[in-house]
Amino acid sequence: GDSVTQMEGPVTLSEEAFLTINCTYTATGYPSLFWYVQYPGEGLQLLLKATKADDKGSNKGFEATYRKETTSFHLEKGSVQVSDSAVYFCALHTGFQKLVFGTGTRLLVSP
Amino acid sequence: GAVVSQHPSWVICKSGTSVKIECRSLDFQATTMFWYRQFPKQSLMLMATSNEGSKATYEQGVEKDKFLINHASLTLSTLTVTSAHPEDSSFYICSARAGTGNSYEQYFGPGTRLTVT
Repeated sequence: GDSVTQMEGPVTLSEEAFLTINCTYTATGYPSLFWYVQYPGEGLQLLLKATKADDKGSNKGFEATYRKETTSFHLEKGSVQVSDSAVYFCALHTGFQKLVFGTGTRLLVSP
Repeated sequence: GAVVSQHPSWVICKSGTSVKIECRSLDFQATTMFWYRQFPKQSLMLMATSNEGSKATYEQGVEKDKFLINHASLTLSTLTVTSAHPEDSSFYICSARAGTGNSYEQYFGPGTRLTVT
């Protein structure tokens, strides 16, 4: 079945460091890909998305490119801030409205 | 943006009792709501999909008689864990989808932590 694999955390960085959180997927067909973020005490929020191969999703300085050849959708940010500390979930969407999530990666950014 | 609330945010109950969790869309009408379960350090696992006014569709392996879902209005869905046991202890998250057709964006509640003693 469809699945998403993302790197285990926590990822600990200093402010202004470069961030990469790896995400790979297995899916039949052509899924849409997403990154969700969950700040402490809040619900998951959509961070960015890409609906077809080679699309790049971007938001709040975060980027991810839909790579069909490597079945990946890695999340990157050039300079993280303390306020980026959260749990990040990679997900894919099949044609039946269902989201399939990765296990989540906790990011901790220190000043 | 769209806001989804859950109540309670955490609950402790005794084994054998039932507990109800509410999921509300506060500023939009949700034609479809989803219930997820999350174990520590694991993915969100979809339990069921509910459409307003109809029976929920449960995922394989989810006991429909144990996890009762009611989507009585366009802004409220409830999950009742019946005859709870310690293995039902988990983090339950709901989400709501506005619109129909190919709209895929789901808005998530903050989750409810259930502990069964």
